[in-house]
Amino acid sequence: DTGVSQNPRHKITKRGQNVTFRCDPISEHNRLYWYRQTLGQGPEFLTYFQNEAQLEKSRLLSDRFSAERPKGSFSTLEIQRTEQGDSAMYLCASSPDTVSYEQYFGPGTRLTVT
Amino acid sequence: AQSVTQLGSHVSVSEGALVLLRCNYSSSVPPYLFWYVQYPNQGLQLLLKYTSAATLVKGINGFEAEFKKSETSFHLTKPSAHMSDAAEYFCAVRRFTGGGNKLTFGTGTQLKVEL
Repeated sequence: DTGVSQNPRHKITKRGQNVTFRCDPISEHNRLYWYRQTLGQGPEFLTYFQNEAQLEKSRLLSDRFSAERPKGSFSTLEIQRTEQGDSAMYLCASSPDTVSYEQYFGPGTRLTVT
Repeated sequence: AQSVTQLGSHVSVSEGALVLLRCNYSSSVPPYLFWYVQYPNQGLQLLLKYTSAATLVKGINGFEAEFKKSETSFHLTKPSAHMSDAAEYFCAVRRFTGGGNKLTFGTGTQLKVEL
């Protein structure tokens, strides 16, 4: 049983560039979440999908951020015109419908904006 | 609104000693509470969860936590620390809004285990 996978694991980019991260949830998990974790803090909720529908977005998700889950399987998180404040670990989690509060996390993508 | 507070950003114990990591919650509804562990440069792994059944919850790696409503606490304990327990631990509470379950995390407690 493979877990949640995320790619890339690390990304270094220059300020102003666009970046895209990918998350592959556990197969048959219909619910998918994105969180952001900055140094010394716990993860903070960004957005949530049930199948392909994006049902909730946090106020943390500015207009420069967009997330998709086109076929209800993998998801992408894109950040446009990156800023140094975007440097963080971006975590993806998935959960099944039956135990939807039990979230399984991927290893994360660490973004560094220089 | 639901939130959690973790007391002590850093805890240091000797190998073999009791581990106690503190978490207090605030919730207007009966809470679902979780403890996660994070090893360096890795994602979060679920240690245990409380979902309004038994108040003493046993998790993986010998950890357990007790839900105490009167104290609004959900402290994590392990009788005997092992070097491999050194990691960061997060307490979290479920927020159920918009038809989905979101987790609100505490700021974490870094556990150091010394010989």
